[in-house]
Amino acid sequence: AQSVSQHNHHVILSEAASLELGCNYSYGGTVNLFWYVQYPGQHLQLLLKYFSGDPLVKGIKGFEAEFIKSKFSFNLRKPSVQWSDTAEYFCAVNARTGTASKLTFGTGTRLQVTL
Amino acid sequence: DGGITQSPKYLFRKEGQNVTLSCEQNLNHDAMYWYRQDPGQGLRLIYYSQIVNDFQKGDIAEGYSVSREKKESFPLTVTSAQKNPTAFYLCASSIAGYRGTGELFFGEGSRLTVL
Repeated sequence: AQSVSQHNHHVILSEAASLELGCNYSYGGTVNLFWYVQYPGQHLQLLLKYFSGDPLVKGIKGFEAEFIKSKFSFNLRKPSVQWSDTAEYFCAVNARTGTASKLTFGTGTRLQVTL
Repeated sequence: DGGITQSPKYLFRKEGQNVTLSCEQNLNHDAMYWYRQDPGQGLRLIYYSQIVNDFQKGDIAEGYSVSREKKESFPLTVTSAQKNPTAFYLCASSIAGYRGTGELFFGEGSRLTVL
């Protein structure tokens, strides 16, 4: 069965620090990859997604992620975090088999940005 | 605006009672999902439905039931058989099947507390 691992459970950074959140998955076939974000008191929303093409994808609010197929990874990055980036971040992988697909979420990373 | 509406936002229940959480979408999506979110465990799939009058169990379906009588609606019943029902419940929808990419659109969630 496919699985998604987010190794950083809780990350604390100061404003302006750089961010990288790890995401690894186990599935050898075709995948679509996502990062979702949940700000305090708000619903989950899509941060960025990768379907095909350029493995470096850019999302909202200055976030980007790089798909490295050989490493089964889709790490999230931001050069300089802001206090407003405090949120929980979820990596998700959609594994496609024929006409079916299954979306699996990681356990999430709570990011706390201090002033 | 198109979106997903979940109600109620907060719900309290006594042990032994069944409760039903509502989920309505006006995105014209075929597929709908129910997830449970617990701290440190990410999102776990309870039930999903790819089409009206059809639904499948997810990873943690025990103690829950659903129906899909209309495309727009996918209510979740948390039964008294669910041993640990206190949680945050998220409803989502997506374009289904081979046309879908796995991208989900989420409601704001319902927080259930069992007293």
